Amino acid sequence: SAVISQKPSRDICQRGTSLTIQCQVDSQVTMMFWYRQQPGQSLTLIATANQGSEATYESGFVIDKFPISRPNLTFSTLTVSNMSPEDSSIYLCSVPGTGNTIYFGEGSWLTVV
Amino acid sequence: AQKITQTQPGMFVQEKEAVTLDCTYDTSDPSYGLFWYKQPSSGEMIFLIYQGSYDQQNATEGRYSLNFQKARKSANLVISASQLGDSAMYFCAMRAAGTYKYIFGTGTRLKVLA
Repeated sequence: SAVISQKPSRDICQRGTSLTIQCQVDSQVTMMFWYRQQPGQSLTLIATANQGSEATYESGFVIDKFPISRPNLTFSTLTVSNMSPEDSSIYLCSVPGTGNTIYFGEGSWLTVV
Repeated sequence: AQKITQTQPGMFVQEKEAVTLDCTYDTSDPSYGLFWYKQPSSGEMIFLIYQGSYDQQNATEGRYSLNFQKARKSANLVISASQLGDSAMYFCAMRAAGTYKYIFGTGTRLKVLA
């Protein structure tokens, strides 16, 4: 399976600020995915990051709030903009694996105060 | 619409015993994939097991097996010989046909007792 590293692993942020989360994969992948997991909740797909084109956002998520970059086939960033306490979540990067599954990074725990 | 339902918010099991975590799903697609992931308190999501909708046999991976009952639309995870390290949240997920979009259930928190 791919090795997926995320930074930061944890952060406490002031409301109204923005934070960029980095995702680095040890192999080239066509697609990278960003998920959000709010406290006590399940995972929800935010968007698919495509190299060389705009990210594809799921219903309820917009580029102004969650801008995504994908400069190459091993790296992506997700920015959480103008944060509010409701944005306190684990943000997880994932990539397709062998067979039919996807693999996840360790997650980035954000707390907005 | 596709949906995953996990009806057990929490489960306890004695160490070395087997435990079954329930998962039912709903989809109109003939082709789909079912997955189980483990999430320890550290937050990472660990892939455990996969079952394809056309697979004739139930999937097994070490101590994990998936009890796939297609007619009932259920995909229960069975963990044999539970260990203390199995204490975690467990998520059932389904992949929409032809996409990498995964739909996750609400999870079951498993606590293994010594």
